[in-house]
Amino acid sequence: DAKTTQPPSMDCAEGRAANLPCNHSTISGNEYVYWYRQIHSQGPQYIIHGLKNNETNEMASLIITEDRKSSTLILPHATLRDTAVYYCIVRVIDDKIIFGKGTRLHILP
Amino acid sequence: NAGVMQNPRHLVRRRGQEARLRCSPMKGHSHVYWYRQLPEEGLKFMVYLQKENIIDESGMPKERFSAEFPKEGPSILRIQQVVRGDSAAYFCASSPRREGYTFGSGTRLTVV
Repeated sequence: DAKTTQPPSMDCAEGRAANLPCNHSTISGNEYVYWYRQIHSQGPQYIIHGLKNNETNEMASLIITEDRKSSTLILPHATLRDTAVYYCIVRVIDDKIIFGKGTRLHILP
Repeated sequence: NAGVMQNPRHLVRRRGQEARLRCSPMKGHSHVYWYRQLPEEGLKFMVYLQKENIIDESGMPKERFSAEFPKEGPSILRIQQVVRGDSAAYFCASSPRREGYTFGSGTRLTVV
């Protein structure tokens, strides 16, 4: 079973920042937080991951709370191409990824 | 550096036939994972392999399904005697030790 809780769907206006929350209150000390997304019918795409520090790459930023029980994925300037299902996952390095139901993000023109 | 290659992209089989799905991981990746996605459902883990070894097959159906990742060549997911309920998208992913998975584009299996 997935160890994370995400809202089933969210809307965001094009050009605005999309903030996707994730709760992982039972995360263990050696588990990382990963984010993936799946654009309709395509293979899932890796976005970002982190352990306890905030992370940023060319796609997104990941903000992890100090107690590590929740995190937020930030897409700074959402475009229509960011419409997808976003999955928040916790896992130990080298372990399999278990996908939950994710958040269906709709970018509104 | 080519990504994870899956073939065929689309596969049609009649009930009772065998389906073979191939996955070539990224260069240097020795971990391969297979997932299944039924229509309008989420991604379900099937099996995790390293070269010549099955590490975790807890998501594999007990009958008709098998997977291998030989020393040379691609990983193969084999479904014997396919039934209509096997119709799905099958995704393969590969990873090195400390980074996220890279997924292929999937094989869409249709059983008629």
